[in-house]
Amino acid sequence: EVVLTQSPGTLSLSPGERAALSCRASESVTSSYLAWYQQKPGRAPRLLIYGASSRATGIPDRFSGSGSGTDFTLSISRLEPEDFAVYFCQHYGNSLYTFGQGTKVEIK
Amino acid sequence: QVTLKESGPALVKPTQTLTLTCTFSGFSLSTSGMRVSWIRQPPGKALEWLARIDWDDDKFYSTSLKTRLTISKDTSKNQVVLTMTNMDPVDTATYYCARMRLPQGGFDYWGQGTLVTVSS
Repeated sequence: EVVLTQSPGTLSLSPGERAALSCRASESVTSSYLAWYQQKPGRAPRLLIYGASSRATGIPDRFSGSGSGTDFTLSISRLEPEDFAVYFCQHYGNSLYTFGQGTKVEIK
Repeated sequence: QVTLKESGPALVKPTQTLTLTCTFSGFSLSTSGMRVSWIRQPPGKALEWLARIDWDDDKFYSTSLKTRLTISKDTSKNQVVLTMTNMDPVDTATYYCARMRLPQGGFDYWGQGTLVTVSS
């Protein structure tokens, strides 16, 4: 089973700054099977990125995903007030799925 | 318009069996490539994937919970049912169902979630 480790646990940034969130897999994974989600308090997660780098429908282009093998990154080019939230990465293999423990992006 | 909604008891006692139903609309689970999963999230903690059922009735379970979980579907009712046996207070969480559609991947639609508290 793939274990996903996200870092940092918390990222303190100001609106307008760039954010880079890391997701490291315990073994090499197929890039096609890596997703990123945003979650706000009391809400269900929202799909941002699938296939490591493809934006989901309606997701602004300030969100981008990259990476391969064991190292993946979610980048937010310029933080908007609504981007302060918790972000999770997920591996969806052919059989089992796993989530990272999350990175909280908070206002500095 | 795709929607999913979870239903089930808000409170269960330790050792009881939890049964949750995901009722969905806007897609068919008999369509090739469709998958529905259950995911849970204890208060203030991370998401945990529990189980999945596919359009062809393939079923997969979390390694750590597989002995306690059963997932099934009723295609005619557009429902997916999850049962979890021997509930414990550590199972207190918000339980979500979510859809994945291949080949895209990722859970593109989620239910609102239902909070289940395990307490005597």
